Amino acid sequence: ETGVTQTPRHLVMGMTNKKSLKCEQHLGHNAMYWYKQSAKKPLELMFVYSLEERVENNSVPSRFSPECPNSSHLFLHLHTLQPEDSALYLCASSQDWGTGNEKLFFGSGTQLSVL
Amino acid sequence: GQNIDQPTEMTATEGAIVQINCTYQTSGFNGLFWYQQHAGEAPTFLSYNVLDGLEEKGRFSSFLSRSKGYSYLLLKELQMKDSASYLCAALDSNYQLIWGAGTKLIIKP
Repeated sequence: ETGVTQTPRHLVMGMTNKKSLKCEQHLGHNAMYWYKQSAKKPLELMFVYSLEERVENNSVPSRFSPECPNSSHLFLHLHTLQPEDSALYLCASSQDWGTGNEKLFFGSGTQLSVL
Repeated sequence: GQNIDQPTEMTATEGAIVQINCTYQTSGFNGLFWYQQHAGEAPTFLSYNVLDGLEEKGRFSSFLSRSKGYSYLLLKELQMKDSASYLCAALDSNYQLIWGAGTKLIIKP
């Protein structure tokens, strides 16, 4: 139990569907992250929120839309995805961002398949 | 560009010792992390090194040489549950984490 909970664990969606991934952290952290993990590739940082403000957006397609309503919750809204978006999507949190205190606590991820 | 290199896969025997190497090239350096990830599970923190030398935590140790851009994770008295992927990540001067692709460690009886 890492203190970071992600739902759903698995998701299959068509290219025209709209779905959302949810992440909740119970650690009192100030920073939350979305990462994409594809087989045999390094983790790709998608978005970072620090104190509920987006601070990083690494050239992610607009079909991925993050939302951080408060410091404990993070969403990733998905629409009109492509098959190449199939991957494991990991949420993480850290005490702070941009201070060297980047020890990350990860959720178990959502395994996404786009048909 | 920034880069992390680590072996794709390693095999070791239960009870033995294995060393997983990681070399990094980053714009500045603020430390190196190792994470363990079992199949289908969350990556979990193992170690953080920012100064040269060896840090020991039970059966696991992590080493850093800043001058060589090199780190290793040493696992002793291997157990079957150590079968997992091990991720190396360096923190650059902008506190961005640069990740390796991970090393899949297979433990055989």
